[in-house]
Order: sequence, then structure tokens, then C-alpha cells
Amino acid sequence: GENVEQHPSTLSVQEGDSAVIKCTYSDSASNYFPWYKQELGKGPQLIIDIRSNVGEKKDQRIAVTLNKTAKHFSLHITETQPEDSAVYFCAAGSGNMLTFGGGTRLMVKP
Amino acid sequence: DAGITQSPRYKITETGRQVTLMCHQTWSHSYMFWYRQDLGHGLRLIYYSAAADITDKGEVPDGYVVSRSKTENFPLTLESATRSQTSVYFCASINGGASNYGYTFGSGTRLTVV
Repeated sequence: GENVEQHPSTLSVQEGDSAVIKCTYSDSASNYFPWYKQELGKGPQLIIDIRSNVGEKKDQRIAVTLNKTAKHFSLHITETQPEDSAVYFCAAGSGNMLTFGGGTRLMVKP
Repeated sequence: DAGITQSPRYKITETGRQVTLMCHQTWSHSYMFWYRQDLGHGLRLIYYSAAADITDKGEVPDGYVVSRSKTENFPLTLESATRSQTSVYFCASINGGASNYGYTFGSGTRLTVV
């Protein structure tokens, strides 16, 4: 089955700096790569996703990149703000099944 | 309100008791999932269901039972709760099909087994 590794497990940045979270996956059949943000006391919420036929996708301050050859994908957050502080999960899968990474706790210091 | 709701939000139970966590979705999504979230383990799949009366095991199914008699409900039962089942439980759903648009999660149930 699919295995997703996520790094780092914790990340602390200064407000205004950029943050990068990286994930690798094992199953070359995976074709869908969503990212979720989980705020304290809430369920994970989809923030951005990318499919295997696309190399990069942007939505305002967040962007995702995908390298199918190397089987890794990354989340980039620019101009971080305190409200970006949360746990972020990557996931990989195909069809209706997703496998999640272990999560990254992002702390943005004002 | 439309969406996916979990109940209760918090539950304390004793070791050996049976407890059922509820999950209800209003979209008629075909797929539903149960995850547990523990520190250091991320989200681990317990059980999932592709449709009413179709369920399958995930990564950590031992000690849990599920049923899906109606498309909108997917209860998770701990038949004899153990302390190791203390966790936060999330239900999720997706409208199955060729295009995967990601899961929608409920707000979670924090379960403590004492």
C-alpha cells in the first residue's frame, strides 16, 4: 500500500517568513495530493490540492509543487501570518482512498 | 445544516464499557471513513465504507465495529473500551467517483477511557 512521509514534524518561523513542508510517497499509482490544515480543536480542512498531471499550483499565499519522478510534493506558504499556525497534513492517493502523512505543527511567531 | 456532524464532541467512559460514536452526513456521499488521531501517529484509518452495507477494515480496526445501514450514518462502536483507545476520532466523507476532490472531515470526538 501507499506510504507517506512528512517532514518536518514541527516548524517554527517568524511572521512574514516563508514555510516549506515536504512529503514523499511510495506508490507510483497515486495521482491526487491534497493538503489539509487542522486548527486547534477542529477537524482537518482541505486547503489546496494537486493532481499528477500538474507540476505546480498556487492559491494566494500558498503553493504546492509535485515531482512525480522523485515521488515528492511540497507545500509552500509565503508571508506567514499568526493565523497560519496549525497542524498541516499531506496526503496521497488515487480513486477514493487517501493515505496521510504524520503531520507538521507550524508555529508562526509574531 | 448541511455537512458532516459527529456526536458526542467529548466522551469519558470506563474500561470495558461499550461506547458508540456517531457520524452523520447530509450530502449522500458514498464513501465514509473513521480515523483516530494520536500524538505522534497522525491520522490512522480504522474502517471505511464505500456504500450502505459495504464496510472494510483500515490500518487499525482491532477493537472497533462499524455498520452502515443508511448512506448518511456511519457509527463506530468500541465493544469493550480500553485505555489505548483514548484518542480523538474523526469521521470523513467523499462523494465517490473518478475524480477525487478530497475528504471532508467532521469536528471530531475526543474520547477518554478511564
